[in-house]
Amino acid sequence: DVKVTQSSRYLVKRTGEKVFLECVQDMDHENMFWYRQDPGLGLRLIYFSYDVKMKEKGDIPEGYSVSREKKERFSLILESASTNQTSMYLCASSSQGASYNEQFFGPGTRLTVL
Amino acid sequence: GENVEQHPSTLSVQEGDSAVIKCTYSDSASNYFPWYKQELGKRPQLIIDIRSNVGEKKDQRIAVTLNKTAKHFSLHITETQPEDSAVYFCAASIGLKTSYDKVIFGPGTSLSVIP
Repeated sequence: DVKVTQSSRYLVKRTGEKVFLECVQDMDHENMFWYRQDPGLGLRLIYFSYDVKMKEKGDIPEGYSVSREKKERFSLILESASTNQTSMYLCASSSQGASYNEQFFGPGTRLTVL
Repeated sequence: GENVEQHPSTLSVQEGDSAVIKCTYSDSASNYFPWYKQELGKRPQLIIDIRSNVGEKKDQRIAVTLNKTAKHFSLHITETQPEDSAVYFCAASIGLKTSYDKVIFGPGTSLSVIP
């Protein structure tokens, strides 16, 4: 059973703080993703990684960075949090090999920036 | 780039009735169309998917149809039950020859099944 975990379910930070969101998967998946979920906008891809130390920008990378030092762990970093980054953040992972791979999501982190 | 639209944004049906959610995509190269269900407070989970070489796929009370010419695909839920209440996301993906298949999600449909 695939398990994707995120470091926090709820997080409250102040404007200008540096924020780290961590995601860990235990299925040896090569691909990992960070999404942002906002009402009416669906799931928007922030960054993804298909290998250790590799990263690619998604559709909304501005204001975010990522780090993947180990295969199982993918971190999302908000260098200087702003109120418009208040949102639900979802991590996901998938395997490589065949195409059309199911994405397995973490439980999400609801971030509030005051 | 790919754009996925989804309608309606909210849908209420009586228990036992059918529900239909429709999506359109813009990139004719898209060839994989998954549907995810997200119950309140829970993570999205894949419920069914369809590939571009198939016009229809069914799994118990859930079916998906794909019209490649019109770039439309739809989710059909029959005999709806209260546990079908959730947000449903359609998505489109281009199966690349690289390791990653970029998935673009629609904005979601909030389905409420009224007992």
